[in-house]
Amino acid sequence: GAGVSQSPRYKVTKRGQDVALRCDPISGHVSLYWYRQALGQGPEFLTYFNYEAQQDKSGLPNDRFSAERPEGSISTLTIQRTEQRDSAMYRCASSLYRDEQFFGPGTRLTVL
Amino acid sequence: AQSVTQLGSHVSVSEGALVPLRCNYSSSVPPYLFWYVQYPNQGLQLLLKYTTGATLVKGINGFEAEFKKSETSFHLTKPSAHMSDAAEYFCAVRSVFSGGYNKLIFGAGTRLAVHP
Repeated sequence: GAGVSQSPRYKVTKRGQDVALRCDPISGHVSLYWYRQALGQGPEFLTYFNYEAQQDKSGLPNDRFSAERPEGSISTLTIQRTEQRDSAMYRCASSLYRDEQFFGPGTRLTVL
Repeated sequence: AQSVTQLGSHVSVSEGALVPLRCNYSSSVPPYLFWYVQYPNQGLQLLLKYTTGATLVKGINGFEAEFKKSETSFHLTKPSAHMSDAAEYFCAVRSVFSGGYNKLIFGAGTRLAVHP
C-alpha cells in the first residue's frame, strides 16, 4: 500500500471490554513496531516484530496487552479488560529491516 | 538509561523567523538521533537523523540539526519559518539495547506555532 494504515482510527469502549487494534504495514516491510502515546507525551515503545516473530515485548505494560503478526504482515494489538488508564493514541510503524520507521496515523482509544 | 528532553512544550515564532527547537539526550554510548514531525491527523514523519559522520545534518523542508556531543544536544533549526511548519516535533534516540533494530525513545514533543 501507499503507507502504513491503522484501523479503527477512533475507538470508544467501556471499561472492561476487549479491543483489537489493527496495523497494516507497508508491503515488504519486515519490521513492525507498536508505540503508545499518552496526551502531552511522546510515543513509548510497546513491542517489535521481525516478520512474524515477536522479538521484543518489553514495553507491554501488563499481561492484558498482547500482539501478534501471524503471517508477517498485518498485526493486531489486543487489550483485554480495558481500563481508563489505557486511553491513548496507539501508533504502528514499519520499516525495511533497520531503516527509517514509517508511522501510521494511529488509533485513538478512549475507555469510558 | 537513555532519555530525551525537549525544552519547551510550545514554541511560537513569526513567519520568516528562525525556528529553534531544543533537544538534549542522555546516552552511555554514541547515540543515533532523530527528529520527527507530526502534522494534524497524520503519522509521524522523519525529518532527519544522525548516525555517524558529519555532525550537521540536513533534512527535509529546510530543517537541519547539529549533534554536539559535548553538550549532549541535537537542536533542530530552520532559518525561515513558514506557516506550513506548524506541527508537533519529536526528538528521539535509538535505544542502546535494541538488539539491532530501531527501538526509539522519544521526547515529550514541542508544538510549533507560526504566526503571520
